[in-house]
Amino acid sequence: SQWGEENLQALSIQEGEDVTMNCSYKTYTTVVQWYRQKSGKGPAQLILIRSNEREKRSGRLRATLDTSSQSSSLSITGTLATDTAVYFCATEVNNYAQGLTFGLGTRVSVFP
Amino acid sequence: EAAVTQSPRSKVAVTGGKVTLSCHQTNNHDYMYWYRQDTGHGLRLIHYSYVADSTEKGDIPDGYKASRPSQENFSLILELASLSQTAVYFCASGRLGGRTGQLYFGEGSKLTVL
Repeated sequence: SQWGEENLQALSIQEGEDVTMNCSYKTYTTVVQWYRQKSGKGPAQLILIRSNEREKRSGRLRATLDTSSQSSSLSITGTLATDTAVYFCATEVNNYAQGLTFGLGTRVSVFP
Repeated sequence: EAAVTQSPRSKVAVTGGKVTLSCHQTNNHDYMYWYRQDTGHGLRLIHYSYVADSTEKGDIPDGYKASRPSQENFSLILELASLSQTAVYFCASGRLGGRTGQLYFGEGSKLTVL
């Protein structure tokens, strides 16, 4: 498997709190993407971070990438109930035509 | 807005029956993918295609066939459905495969095999 065991998690937090989820991978990648999947929907990309970027921000989202430890994190500040979803990290595969390989996901539940 | 539509959104099939899941994209993307989602397994790649009339096996192709008759359409075929194929199936399209490329997903097809 491409993924470390810590990739499968469930987090419950109160609205307004910050949350950070982690992703570790085993095979070198130049890009990590983070996707969000809301209940009954398909995954949708949130943010893409490249190997030459240690950090990337988009609104309330902050992604980090540490290629030396082969890990990435996604933080959401000031969570809203609408942030309730499963969050996946994804990396490219050796044969890039095969698209992405996805981690097991972190289920985040935000309560009002 | 990128658009990938799947049909049917939900289906109940009998063991041994034939099931066809269809996917249509209006993104003008060359790459299309079928993923399977099961609790605890994330998304796993079944088949993919990078050009019409050609398909490739992904990580878990056994028991599945795929068909790409045009750039816009990509089908997943279960010739003999089995209980173990109960899952949610997602179709996705992308422009450059995985390299720096975003995948656009449909809303999923929930398949229950009885």
